[in-house]
Amino acid sequence: GNSVTQMEGPVTLSEEAFLTINCTYTATGYPSLFWYVQYPGEGLQLLLKATKADDKGSNKGFEATYRKETTSFHLEKGSVQVSDSAVYFCALRVLGGYNKLIFGAGTRLAVHP
Amino acid sequence: SAVISQKPSRDICQRGTSLTIQCQVDSQVTMMFWYRQQPGQSLTLIATANQGSEATYESGFVIDKFPISRPNLTFSTLTVSNMSPEDSSIYLCSVEAQTSGAYNEQFFGPGTRLTVL
Repeated sequence: GNSVTQMEGPVTLSEEAFLTINCTYTATGYPSLFWYVQYPGEGLQLLLKATKADDKGSNKGFEATYRKETTSFHLEKGSVQVSDSAVYFCALRVLGGYNKLIFGAGTRLAVHP
Repeated sequence: SAVISQKPSRDICQRGTSLTIQCQVDSQVTMMFWYRQQPGQSLTLIATANQGSEATYESGFVIDKFPISRPNLTFSTLTVSNMSPEDSSIYLCSVEAQTSGAYNEQFFGPGTRLTVL
């Protein structure tokens, strides 16, 4: 079946530190991959996406590369800010049927000044 | 894109009662989804609701417990029936809409935080 596994949190970093949140997936077919972010008290927002192997999604200084050989889509940012504190969800979607999203467990990031 | 509103934003309910959550979208969409996010957990899809047809429920969710209406292309309701404390969650409405890049993306509402006592 289809599933997403991401590293457990919370992840606690100091401002300007490097961030990596690991995400691996299992899927039938060729999924699209996503990172969503949930800021405190807000709904989910799409952060970035990649629709095929070797694509790199990027937004707001965050990047993730679709690695088919390792079935991974790790989220990275070179220098985090306090405002990046949120919960990050990795997700996949396999086209066909109802195109539903399958989410990982979420990783809480806390950035301290 | 799509802007989604949900009502109520939060509620505290008694065991055994029912709550209906409304989801309104600012544009016509074919596919709407209802998710549950239990405390500290990820999102789990409850059902997919297309206008004019019965909702399709995921494994572990049944229509008697979570009846859904989809009367038109901009509105849906989810009812949580005969509630128990285990139903305490955030319930999120989501829609699939086309972006400026002609790509279908899922947009999420702000959620309804439900506490069952």
